[in-house]
Amino acid sequence: GNSVTQMEGPVTLSEEAFLTINCTYTATGYPSLFWYVQYPGEGLQLLLKATKADDKGSNKGFEATYRKETTSFHLEKGSVQVSDSAVYFCALSDFGGAQKLVFGQGTRLTINP
Amino acid sequence: EAGVVQSPRYKIIEKKQPVAFWCNPISGHNTLYWYLQNLGQGPELLIRYENEEAVDDSQLPKDRFSAERLKGVDSTLKIQPAELGDSAVYLCASSLDGMNTEAFFGQGTRLTVV
Repeated sequence: GNSVTQMEGPVTLSEEAFLTINCTYTATGYPSLFWYVQYPGEGLQLLLKATKADDKGSNKGFEATYRKETTSFHLEKGSVQVSDSAVYFCALSDFGGAQKLVFGQGTRLTINP
Repeated sequence: EAGVVQSPRYKIIEKKQPVAFWCNPISGHNTLYWYLQNLGQGPELLIRYENEEAVDDSQLPKDRFSAERLKGVDSTLKIQPAELGDSAVYLCASSLDGMNTEAFFGQGTRLTVV
């Protein structure tokens, strides 16, 4: 079945550091890929998505590129801020929509000033 | 615009007792989801509704869990009787339809069974 594996956390960085959170997936077809973020006390929010190979999703300074050859969708940001502290979830969906999202286990990120 | 609203935010019950969670999706969203999130894990889909029809309930433990979405708007998820292993966060989400790529999540209900 489909699955998503994320880099284990927690991850702690200093402000303005470069961020990478690794995500790899297993799927039978060509899924759509997502990053969701959960800020403290809030619900999950879609951060970015990519629906086909080589697509790059981006939002709020975060980027992730759909790499079919390595089955990966790593999240990156060039300079993190304290406000980026949250739990980040990588997810996939076989059908392009949200109807069958499969999530990774989440990576807790803490940014220190 | 109001987001997905869930209540209660927290619930503590004794094992073998019943419990119910309520969800009000974003207005106009036809698709509603219930997810289970165990501590330190990602959400797992329990059930998906298209309007009032449950179109995917393959992961719902039907011996003790039930859900309904009367009139295709609000939804209720029930556990009866609750077990210690049911302690988790129960998330509700909605999207315009099942093909839309963005699902909007509520804050969840944290259930503790003692």
